[in-house]
Amino acid sequence: KAGVTQTPRYLIKTRGQQVTLSCSPISGHRSVSWYQQTPGQGLQFLFEYFSETQRNKGNFPGRFSGRQFSNSRSEMNVSTLELGDSALYLCASSQNRGGDTQYFGPGTRLTVL
Amino acid sequence: AQSVTQPDIHITVSEGASLELRCNYSYGATPYLFWYVQSPGQGLQLLLKYFSGDTLVQGIKGFEAEFKRSQSSFNLRKPSVHWSDAAEYFCAVGAGNRDDKIIFGKGTRLHILP
Repeated sequence: KAGVTQTPRYLIKTRGQQVTLSCSPISGHRSVSWYQQTPGQGLQFLFEYFSETQRNKGNFPGRFSGRQFSNSRSEMNVSTLELGDSALYLCASSQNRGGDTQYFGPGTRLTVL
Repeated sequence: AQSVTQPDIHITVSEGASLELRCNYSYGATPYLFWYVQSPGQGLQLLLKYFSGDTLVQGIKGFEAEFKRSQSSFNLRKPSVHWSDAAEYFCAVGAGNRDDKIIFGKGTRLHILP
């Protein structure tokens, strides 16, 4: 089976712009979670989608949003980018919700200038 | 509330030496426990997981971990490290509850001396 794929791998944006990141889960996996990883804060949970519905949300402002499509692919969007949004954004998929094993993609490195 | 503590931010060991990375968790019920490894610029790779049963869990790349309920710990071990093991290691806890998310520790960066 192919692993979790994320596109693009690298992105450079300027403050105030918006960005959309994409994640394709492992075939058959219905849950997709997004994380932000920075050197200072570590891995921080953004949100989880299951069956096209957001099931869980972390403590991030409303500028961070996401969605999931019927084929389980997911996108996350960040509007009005700030310098502090520079991070590695990781997507993870699992077959089911809760404590099920998560499999991670390689991440999208976002740099905000 | 669930939490995971990895007390060591950095650990340095010599190649060929044994390794133990510490992980302590806080959760009311029997947790699901995971160890992941992340190489620079990459995503996280699952090393091993504990859901139930035998408390000594074998993983990939020669790693093992032991679940100790009385100590709320899930330490990762390897008898002899290789230079390629240099990476960041994350312990995580999940509840198995459909509404709970997996919580990750802050990570331990492993450095290998030649």
